[in-house]
Amino acid sequence: GENVEQHPSTLSVQEGDSAVIKCTYSDSASNYFPWYKQELGKRPQLIIDIRSNVGEKKDQRIAVTLNKTAKHFSLHITETQPEDSAVYFCAASKDVKAAGNKLTFGGGTRVLVKP
Amino acid sequence: GAGVSQSPSNKVTEKGKDVELRCDPISGHTALYWYRQSLGQGLEFLIYFQGNSAPDKSGLPSDRFSAERTGGSVSTLTIQRTQQEDSAVYLCASSFFATELFFGEGSRLTVL
Repeated sequence: GENVEQHPSTLSVQEGDSAVIKCTYSDSASNYFPWYKQELGKRPQLIIDIRSNVGEKKDQRIAVTLNKTAKHFSLHITETQPEDSAVYFCAASKDVKAAGNKLTFGGGTRVLVKP
Repeated sequence: GAGVSQSPSNKVTEKGKDVELRCDPISGHTALYWYRQSLGQGLEFLIYFQGNSAPDKSGLPSDRFSAERTGGSVSTLTIQRTQQEDSAVYLCASSFFATELFFGEGSRLTVL
């Protein structure tokens, strides 16, 4: 089955700086890569996702890049703000409309933005 | 309802007792997942239901854990003979096949 590794496990940045979280996956057939943000005491929520037909996707201060050859994808947060402090999870799955393919999560990255 | 609903939100039980946690997914969602999250930790996969396919039970930590999904909708996670190490937040999530997961608020279980 799919295995997703996520690094680093913790990340401390100064407000205004950029944060980068990296994930690798094992199944070359995976083609859907979402990122979830979990604030303290809250449920995880999708913040951005990318599919294998694109290499990069941006949404305001966040962007995700995908390298299918190397089987890794990354989350980039620019101009970090205190409200970006949270745990971020990457995930991967394949063949999104087929039964039996589940989303596999990485271990999470705790991001702390220091004011 | 509009989102994934879980009950109870909090459950305190004594070691050795059985507990049942309920998840009501978003209507029309084909997939339902259960995860366990201990304090400050990641999402530990427990079980996955997809349509009428056999569930993926590969994440269940022991035979004290079981889950069912009735009529392709509501799911119940049962923990028998609870142990203190079962204390955690149990999160349910649903999706349309393997697309965006919508999580419930979770059920916080405390085993004394």
